[in-house]
Amino acid sequence: EDQVTQSPEALRLQEGESSSLNCSYTVSGLRGLFWYRQDPGKGPEFLFTLYSAGEEKEKERLKATLTKKESFLHITAPKPEDSATYLCAVFSGGYNKLIFGAGTRLAVHP
Amino acid sequence: DTGVSQDPRHKITKRGQNVTFRCDPISEHNRLYWYRQTLGQGPEFLTYFQNEAQLEKSRLLSDRFSAERPKGSFSTLEIQRTEQGDSAMYLCASSLANAADGYTFGSGTRLTVV
Repeated sequence: EDQVTQSPEALRLQEGESSSLNCSYTVSGLRGLFWYRQDPGKGPEFLFTLYSAGEEKEKERLKATLTKKESFLHITAPKPEDSATYLCAVFSGGYNKLIFGAGTRLAVHP
Repeated sequence: DTGVSQDPRHKITKRGQNVTFRCDPISEHNRLYWYRQTLGQGPEFLTYFQNEAQLEKSRLLSDRFSAERPKGSFSTLEIQRTEQGDSAMYLCASSLANAADGYTFGSGTRLTVV
């Protein structure tokens, strides 16, 4: 069964303290791995799509990387406005549905 | 285009009542998805439509749940005889038929059953 596991569940950082979030996945034939950001009370907001091992994408202080079994979301010198839940998802059963991990709740304190 | 719109944003209902939510997808997207999200969890797939055809339903979608997408435009999700366990955020998303670039989500409808 296709599965996505994220760790840690929660992460508290000081402003400027870099770290990484992990997403481990089990899927038969990866068709795409997605990172979303979700603020409280809102829907997920698209960040990145990664398609093959070795691929990397960057956006401001965020950098996503992909291996054959996991993806990392690296946050460099985070700011309080980076506080959110970060969700990882993969396609399951073709492109018919995304399955999500439980997310990592990130809190960045000044 | 203003993205995916959901209405209402919040709904409080008494146990046993019926509720209906609406989703307006991005106009050029022919796929529409419904997800449910409870506190501390990621979104869980409920069902999806390609145009007006409902092509897949999750085991989570009990007989009390029904979704429609008349004419392949907006969609509605109805929950009959609501239970406290139905309390959750209901998210709608849309995509092109080739969904390789992922989905665009709406802001969700927060349902509270009291």
